[in-house]
Amino acid sequence: DGGITQSPKYLFRKEGQNVTLSCEQNLNHDAMYWYRQDPGQGLRLIYYSQIVNDFQKGDIAEGYSVSREKKESFPLTVTSAQKNPTAFYLCASSEFAGTTDTQYFGPGTRLTVL
Amino acid sequence: AQSVAQPEDQVNVAEGNPLTVKCTYSVSGNPYLFWYVQYPNRGLQFLLKYITGDNLVKGSYGFEAEFNKSQTSFHLKKPSALVSDSALYFCAVSPPGGYQKVTFGTGTKLQVIP
Repeated sequence: DGGITQSPKYLFRKEGQNVTLSCEQNLNHDAMYWYRQDPGQGLRLIYYSQIVNDFQKGDIAEGYSVSREKKESFPLTVTSAQKNPTAFYLCASSEFAGTTDTQYFGPGTRLTVL
Repeated sequence: AQSVAQPEDQVNVAEGNPLTVKCTYSVSGNPYLFWYVQYPNRGLQFLLKYITGDNLVKGSYGFEAEFNKSQTSFHLKKPSALVSDSALYFCAVSPPGGYQKVTFGTGTKLQVIP
């Protein structure tokens, strides 16, 4: 988990609320990623960013939004449009966005909708 | 489209015995293959990757994996399992060329029995 921090560790949301998950890295990596992890489904890509001020949708972007205003930060907002947001959210970074690059993961945020 | 399969949801092995966690993949062209490990309520940690060259890849914590192109497999192995190896293991694949997203398997839970 070294070099990537996620906060908070646990987050509770009421229905209809937007919440923002924080992800910060001090590895000087260009690329950053957000994944959602559900039991038995592995990791699914929500959004990724290859460089500052640029990001692309992943496989399950609906109901989520991101920004990449600084190289070290890639916050994820879970909006009220996301119908089933309860999950474990993982942020990752890699030096570049190439297909051979190792991804380094943060410790995760567990989001629960009340 | 690329895919990766981990056919076993769980693998049980006695401490001191060799372990194998299976992974097969489907991708156009030569694949890049990864293994990650996840301990409970933590992010994923990189174990090893195959890019090119020797089919036997050695990684962290005594793990190794063998790339078999004819069988499209990349099984993770360790000669002697430790109780501390108990965790969730993910195989991942990315295709060659440019940036394309990594696809993760659904994970295999390894239980090492004392």
